[in-house]
Amino acid sequence: GAGVSQTPSNKVTEKGKYVELRCDPISGHTALYWYRQSLGQGPEFLIYFQGTGAADDSGLPNDRFFAVRPEGSVSTLKIQRTERGDSAVYLCASSSTGQGEQYFGPGTRLTVT
Amino acid sequence: AQSVTQLDSQVPVFEEAPVELRCNYSSSVSVYLFWYVQYPNQGLQLLLKYLSGSTLVKGINGFEAEFNKSQTSFHLRKPSVHISDTAEYFCAVSEGGYSTLTFGKGTMLLVSP
Repeated sequence: GAGVSQTPSNKVTEKGKYVELRCDPISGHTALYWYRQSLGQGPEFLIYFQGTGAADDSGLPNDRFFAVRPEGSVSTLKIQRTERGDSAVYLCASSSTGQGEQYFGPGTRLTVT
Repeated sequence: AQSVTQLDSQVPVFEEAPVELRCNYSSSVSVYLFWYVQYPNQGLQLLLKYLSGSTLVKGINGFEAEFNKSQTSFHLRKPSVHISDTAEYFCAVSEGGYSTLTFGKGTMLLVSP
């Protein structure tokens, strides 16, 4: 079946602009996660949804970052007033088993110039 | 709080040689342990997982890992590597269920002929 998909695969934006990153999880997966992977680092947790609600947003770095999942499927990560330090690969994952394993999408590479 | 330490940032090895990638973790609770592989410009793929039971876990592509609770380690091994195993490998820990993953910084496995 189809895996987790993310769009766009690459996004270049200017400092100060607003961006939206989209994640389409595996069908039927109730849990959805966003991570950020900076160069040379492992992925770092941003936010976790169970259904439509954000169950844990403790990883969001500041109030410029926001995410939604209005119908419990597709999620959008929104970044306002982008800064050069936001440049990273943003990964989305979904899960259904409740056993800890998560399935990752290919990521969106965000470059802020 | 949980943390994961991957002791080697890079491991060079010749084709058909054995390899071990080291991972140590810290946690105040019982954990689930994972190894993910990331090929260039791709997302993370689950290699194997330890949830409970036998401490020796077998995964895809001939990899295996051993959970050692007393040493808080979960080292990844393969008896004979191929050129195609060249990739970044990430060790991760979670508290299970739908808990978020905490990743190490990754180990780059470089297989040469």
